[in-house]
Amino acid sequence: QSALTQPASVSGSPGQSITISCTGTSSDVGGYDYVSWYQQHPGKAPKLMIYVVSNRPSGVSNRFSGSKSGNTASLTISGLQAEDEADYYCSSYASSSTFVFGTGTKVTVL
Amino acid sequence: EVQLVESGGGLVQPGGSLRLSCAASGFTFSRYWMHWVRQDPGKGLVWVSLINSDGSSTNYADSVKGRFTISRDNAKNTLYLQMNSLRAEDTAVYYCASSYGSGKHFDYWGQGTLVTVSS
Repeated sequence: QSALTQPASVSGSPGQSITISCTGTSSDVGGYDYVSWYQQHPGKAPKLMIYVVSNRPSGVSNRFSGSKSGNTASLTISGLQAEDEADYYCSSYASSSTFVFGTGTKVTVL
Repeated sequence: EVQLVESGGGLVQPGGSLRLSCAASGFTFSRYWMHWVRQDPGKGLVWVSLINSDGSSTNYADSVKGRFTISRDNAKNTLYLQMNSLRAEDTAVYYCASSYGSGKHFDYWGQGTLVTVSS
């Protein structure tokens, strides 16, 4: 199972919006509405930010939103804040009861 | 408060074995599917294995199939990963993660335990 493709880095100024893409295939992202997104600060465990494409867990800021079109999912962070600087990973359920993660995107707040 | 605490990592020679544990607290462990996810130092996340809530069903990434075994003890609220025939490429931080019911995402994560395979 190949990793989902994400841009290596995305940057933005405080207050701006940024979008991270996550491209897979019809066997994972395109085949199921089970895309999730994780935030990971250096040296820390990942944290669930979005699940089932566009749902936010309790406690996650509504500045984070998710969507999907075909084989590509997206995470948008609006009103970018310094604390949003981290690595972000997408994940998708795939065929045969397996999971695949994205290559990861480093978000930099300028 | 939900807590997942991994242990059992360390330095092991190629071909050796190691058993990781993940102690869960703060939630009804027996209702959750559980996973192991690993992260090579400085690299991305890789799903390793899953086990359903009662332990009757498991699955593995191709890279570890036949070498790793996932199991759980719901009476002890503990998840395990038995790793045999370890290779240098298994070097990573190993995280346990939970999924409520058969949810297809990872709700909570432990802090991880480092496994280093080297001679």
